[in-house]
Amino acid sequence: QKEVEQNSGPLSVPEGAIASLNCTYSDRGSQSFFWYRQYSGKSPELIMFIYSNGDKEDGRFTAQLNKASQYVSLLIRDSQPSDSATYLCAVNLAGGGADGLTFGKGTHLIIQP
Amino acid sequence: ETGVTQTPRHLVMGMTNKKSLKCEQHLGHNAMYWYKQSAKKPLELMFVYNFKEQTENNSVPSRFSPECPNSSHLFLHLHTLQPEDSALYLCASSQDSRGNEQFFGPGTRLTVL
Repeated sequence: QKEVEQNSGPLSVPEGAIASLNCTYSDRGSQSFFWYRQYSGKSPELIMFIYSNGDKEDGRFTAQLNKASQYVSLLIRDSQPSDSATYLCAVNLAGGGADGLTFGKGTHLIIQP
Repeated sequence: ETGVTQTPRHLVMGMTNKKSLKCEQHLGHNAMYWYKQSAKKPLELMFVYNFKEQTENNSVPSRFSPECPNSSHLFLHLHTLQPEDSALYLCASSQDSRGNEQFFGPGTRLTVL
């Protein structure tokens, strides 16, 4: 049974600080990891993906993957009020497992001005 | 139009009605997906199509019937739904179903009376 776990929050972070969002997954065979941002009433929007252990940076966002610990995180530097949203972690088991993505419940992030 | 589009955006139907949701992607992708998003629950994968072939049916009740006439179009036919089927139904597409990033449409907000 594939599971993706996230703390539902809300996670409250002051504007300008670093927001750290965490995700654990149960399936050691998972190969692809994604972070989506979802504003209230809107559909999920892809912001980062990572396939290899280590860090991947894109602007203010850094995704971190540790396959040994089955852990993936998203760091948002210089947090802005517009970053307030629900962040969904998703994993995919490629090459033999089920198609599609398994999503966590999401972490509700609030950036306080 | 670009990206992934869905129609209608909102739908209210009675339990005895028959309706269809439509999804179209303009990204040249070969895989399409239906997800259900209910309040307080993770995104649930319903169906996966890869190169027009259904590759995943996540134990979805038969009152939901998918159709994929070509790689660009995906339908979800609905009949004799229950009030608990009220949710946001999201369509997504990806290059193929082997772990690539997925892009979501805006969703159809469905209410079953």
